[in-house]
Amino acid sequence: DTAVSQTPKYLVTQMGNDKSIKCEQNLGHDTMYWYKQDSKKFLKIMFSYNNKELIINETVPNRFSPKSPDKAHLNLHINSLELGDSAVYFCASSQELAAELFFGEGSRLTVL
Amino acid sequence: SQQGEEDPQALSIQEGENATMNCSYKTSINNLQWYRQNSGRGLVHLILIRSNEREKHSGRLRVTLDTSKKSSSLLITASRAADTASYFCATDYSGGGADGLTFGKGTHLIIQP
Repeated sequence: DTAVSQTPKYLVTQMGNDKSIKCEQNLGHDTMYWYKQDSKKFLKIMFSYNNKELIINETVPNRFSPKSPDKAHLNLHINSLELGDSAVYFCASSQELAAELFFGEGSRLTVL
Repeated sequence: SQQGEEDPQALSIQEGENATMNCSYKTSINNLQWYRQNSGRGLVHLILIRSNEREKHSGRLRVTLDTSKKSSSLLITASRAADTASYFCATDYSGGGADGLTFGKGTHLIIQP
């Protein structure tokens, strides 16, 4: 059983489109995250939810909107995609904030 | 920036040798963690060391923490080709805010067979 699963694994789209990435964890964790990893492998936190409540919202464009329908799911919707949004997006979960993180395999987004 | 900084950025050694990576950070922490990322994969947690601990071991991994120098090191002994990966340190800052973990830029380790 995959602990943290995210879909799709690859996403190629045109500038201006809207896309979503889905994430689910079956670990029973209370906290979920979205991280962005750029081409230089720098990993930056974007959002964190604890029990469906937003607790971390870093400075990201408001074109990015997370949604947590329940504590096992955290989806990321991106509007009006730009070239600079190309990156690998990782979902992660942990039992509590800043505890050991369990990562998904990543979703590589390429904006053309 | 509060992120940790790994050193070196890249390291290439022969199989069987020991590999040492360092991480420096800027402010007080609650804990520091090390993660491994294989090419094209997600990050995998290796070790968590708390601010009141100085050393931890897990198999061939040894992590040290020096809070006075704000630095940590990860030692991989008897390296294997499968250890080829990027290694990241991540810090939980104790500033009181809900910041989560802050990751460094990573050390890319190559084990030559």
